[in-house]
Amino acid sequence: DAGVTQSPTHLIKTRGQQVTLRCSPKSGHDTVSWYQQALGQGPQFIFQYYEEEERQRGNFPDRFSGHQFPNYSSELNVNALLLGDSALYLCASSLYPPIYGYTFGSGTRLTVV
Amino acid sequence: AQKITQTQPGMFVQEKEAVTLDCTYDTSDQSYGLFWYKQPSSGEMIFLIYQGSYDEQNATEGRYSLNFQKARKSANLVISASQLGDSAMYFCAMREVPNQGGKLIFGQGTELSVKP
Repeated sequence: DAGVTQSPTHLIKTRGQQVTLRCSPKSGHDTVSWYQQALGQGPQFIFQYYEEEERQRGNFPDRFSGHQFPNYSSELNVNALLLGDSALYLCASSLYPPIYGYTFGSGTRLTVV
Repeated sequence: AQKITQTQPGMFVQEKEAVTLDCTYDTSDQSYGLFWYKQPSSGEMIFLIYQGSYDEQNATEGRYSLNFQKARKSANLVISASQLGDSAMYFCAMREVPNQGGKLIFGQGTELSVKP
């Protein structure tokens, strides 16, 4: 049973560029949430997608956007990259409404130079 | 606002001994969930244990147990018989009410090092 798959694993981008990160949820899960984890910090909630709609959003600027596809996979897009966007981006899948069955991927390590 | 506090940036424990990682939380909700995750250097968040706010007994999962003291708003993780493979970052997290989205709020984490 495949868990959560994220791609790519590592990425280096230049300030001002745009990036797209991808997530395939665990089989049977229909909800995807994205978290940003800066070095030495706990993860911070970015947003959650269910039924192809953004259901909840954390305190992140509009440069962060997302999408969920009919097969429940999801993308996270970040425009106009800043050095401060360098972080580990984690995807978590669950059923909706999420109670306790969250499954996390291994993350995408984004470095902005 | 909901908040999770982990006051121990780093902890050391001797192999085969028990260790307690501290977690306090703040919420005005009556219904919430508390989680502990392990994050090795690979980055993946590995679920360890869950405690619901209405659960009367402390949760246990193998060598992991959660010392839940609701009145004190604490949810400490106890790892018994530590192993070298337990060395990792440990995060305490609280889940918001599910019908409001159920996002997880994480603490700053505790780095556990197990000595042989």
